[in-house]
Amino acid sequence: SYVLTQPPSVSVAPGQTARIPCGGNNIGGDSVHWYQQKPGQAPVLVVYDDSDRPSGIPERFSGSNSGNTATLTISRVEAGDEADYYCQVWDSSSDHGVFGGGTKLTVL
Amino acid sequence: QVQLVESGGGVVQPGRSLRLYCAASGFTFSSYGMHWVRQAPGKGLEWVAVIWYDATDKYHADSVKGRFTISRDNSENTLYLEMNSLRVEDTAVYYCARDRAPMVRGIDYWGQGTLVTVSS
Repeated sequence: SYVLTQPPSVSVAPGQTARIPCGGNNIGGDSVHWYQQKPGQAPVLVVYDDSDRPSGIPERFSGSNSGNTATLTISRVEAGDEADYYCQVWDSSSDHGVFGGGTKLTVL
Repeated sequence: QVQLVESGGGVVQPGRSLRLYCAASGFTFSSYGMHWVRQAPGKGLEWVAVIWYDATDKYHADSVKGRFTISRDNSENTLYLEMNSLRVEDTAVYYCARDRAPMVRGIDYWGQGTLVTVSS
C-alpha cells in the first residue's frame, strides 16, 4: 500500500519560514492536499491540488510537489499557525485515501 | 455554509455494532462524494471509506473492509457508516467529510466528529 512519510515535528521561530515535507514514491505524479488540525478541532483544508489555496486561507500558506516529495511552506509564521499538519493523496491503484502520519509545527 | 453534523457515537462492547450518521446541509448533497475519516486518541488521521455522489461506487480501507459499510440517502441528505464486529482498535473520533468533486478529488469540508469507544 502507498505510504506517505512526514517528520513528527518541525520547529520555527515567529516570522520565519516553516517547510513541512511529505515523502512518497513518485508523489509528484499525484495531487497532494494539506490539512491543518488544532487541538480539539476538526481538520481544515489549507492547500489542495499541490499548490492551490481555498478561499480564506492566507497567502502565507503555499505548496509544491515534485519527484518524491511534496512540501507545505508557511511564510512569516505566526503563533496561531501552531498545529498538526497532514498531507493526503488518493491512491488510484488501490482506490484508497492515504494520509501522512502528521507533523506537529511548534512556534518557538 | 457547508455543515456536516455527525451523530451515533458512544460506548460499545467488542463484537457489537454501531451506526454513525452525518447530516449534511448548506450544499447540494447529491452532487458530492463523501468520506469517513477517523482519528484514534492521540494519533493521526486514517481514511476509512468513500462513496460517490450517486452511490454507484464505494471503497473501504483494508482495516475495516468486510466489517464497515458506507452508504448514503440523497433524499435525506444523510451519510451513514454501518460498523459491525467492532474491535478495541476501532476506538476513535469519526469524521464525516465532503469531497470537492462528485467522485474523488480531495476533502474540502469536515464535520466536528463523533467519538466511538469500543470497550468491555
